Amino acid sequence: QVHLVESGGGVVQPGRSLRLSCAASGFTFTNYGMHWVRQTPGKGLEWVAIISYDGSNKYYAASVKGRFTISRDNSKNTVDLQIDSLRAEDTAVYYCAKDPGSGGWYGKYFHHWGQGTLVTVSS
Amino acid sequence: EIVLTQSPGTLSLSPGERATLSCRASQSVSSSYLAWYQQKPGQAPRLLIYDAFSRATGIPDRFSGSGSGTVFTLAISRLEPEDFAVYYCQQYADSPPTFGGGTKVEIK
Repeated sequence: QVHLVESGGGVVQPGRSLRLSCAASGFTFTNYGMHWVRQTPGKGLEWVAIISYDGSNKYYAASVKGRFTISRDNSKNTVDLQIDSLRAEDTAVYYCAKDPGSGGWYGKYFHHWGQGTLVTVSS
Repeated sequence: EIVLTQSPGTLSLSPGERATLSCRASQSVSSSYLAWYQQKPGQAPRLLIYDAFSRATGIPDRFSGSGSGTVFTLAISRLEPEDFAVYYCQQYADSPPTFGGGTKVEIK
């Protein structure tokens, strides 16, 4: 059974950095693309980034491009999201989600989700 | 990017009634690359429907998806107590993937 567990959220000052991590289990991690999706009360659900099964392709939402970096470690079954230059509008619950396929281009839908980790950007 | 508009914003119904939720796209969603999710308070979204009408594993057959082009529908044939939640549509035909604003199905 697919299990995704996010960690790394917390309260961070504007301009600082944060690294989120997602530990995956219950499936062959090396076969699937992985996403990060965030949710705010104001803007709802927003796709953030995708990384392909082998890490060779990465795509980002325009709102985070240049500040966020997605990466994966297939030896540890983890996918990370490095967030730099945090802004108030980055405050959200961040979910990692499994793609149903290899994660080509921007992937497809979000087959399985973790429970999310809350990031609050505040001084 | 494709903008998805869900209606109504809130649907007030009684258990046993039929629910019909709408998702309209600002441009055609090719190959019917549209999904539906259910989210309950304090939980992550759960995939219900993909490719517009295919039910995800374990989803009861009272949930059905239909539509094509720019108009899609999620129907719940007979509402069970556990179906009262917020529902989102999402398209993956174009980049970036985008979500609708959600429809809340509440107990009347």
